[in-house]
Amino acid sequence: QEQLVQSGAEVKKPGASVKVSCKASGYTFTGYYIHWMRQAPGQGLEWMGWVNPNSGDASYAQKFQGRVTVTTDTSISTAYMELTRVGSDDTAVYYCARTRTLSALVDAFHMWGQGTMVTVSS
Amino acid sequence: EIVLTQSPGTLSLSPGERATLSCRASQSVSSSYLAWYQQKPGQAPRLLIYGASRRATGIPDRFSGSGSGTDFTLTISRLEPEDFAVYYCQQYDTSPRTFGQGTNLEIK
Repeated sequence: QEQLVQSGAEVKKPGASVKVSCKASGYTFTGYYIHWMRQAPGQGLEWMGWVNPNSGDASYAQKFQGRVTVTTDTSISTAYMELTRVGSDDTAVYYCARTRTLSALVDAFHMWGQGTMVTVSS
Repeated sequence: EIVLTQSPGTLSLSPGERATLSCRASQSVSSSYLAWYQQKPGQAPRLLIYGASRRATGIPDRFSGSGSGTDFTLTISRLEPEDFAVYYCQQYDTSPRTFGQGTNLEIK
């Protein structure tokens, strides 16, 4: 069945970088955009950016410009989100999600990964 | 960016009752590019409604969405015990994609 499986929890010190993976299965990985969101403890959802696995094109929320990079490795159907210079306010669950429609950027998030908890603590 | 404001923040109802959740956008959402998600504790969000009124695959017909422009509504016709959760609206018309702050639907 179609699914996105994310990497395990991470603990990072302030100023470090974190890289979260999102492995797709059960569908054509290059056919659908992948978006990344995060959710701080007890808070709502915050969109971070998207990547087109077919072209490698990516776009980011202005808030994260210069700190976030989203990439893909089509040989293993995996997307990655790397966040640099993390601080305590980056402590959150990070989610990847796939759009609903083939090749559609403007689309709802049909399928989500299980989430990856990233904790930033000294 | 489009700001989405959900109301109420918390809604206390009993199973079998009707729930009406509101989502208001700071500017018009084109072509009704508005979605609703349900999130239960410790789980990822689940897509319920897209295009303001279209049910996602496998979503029961007690869930319905309506609205256009700046005002959108999610209605749950008869609450089941498993419907008590947090609900988010989200616009995918413009970048950045934005979410409402959520409505916590709790058992009365």
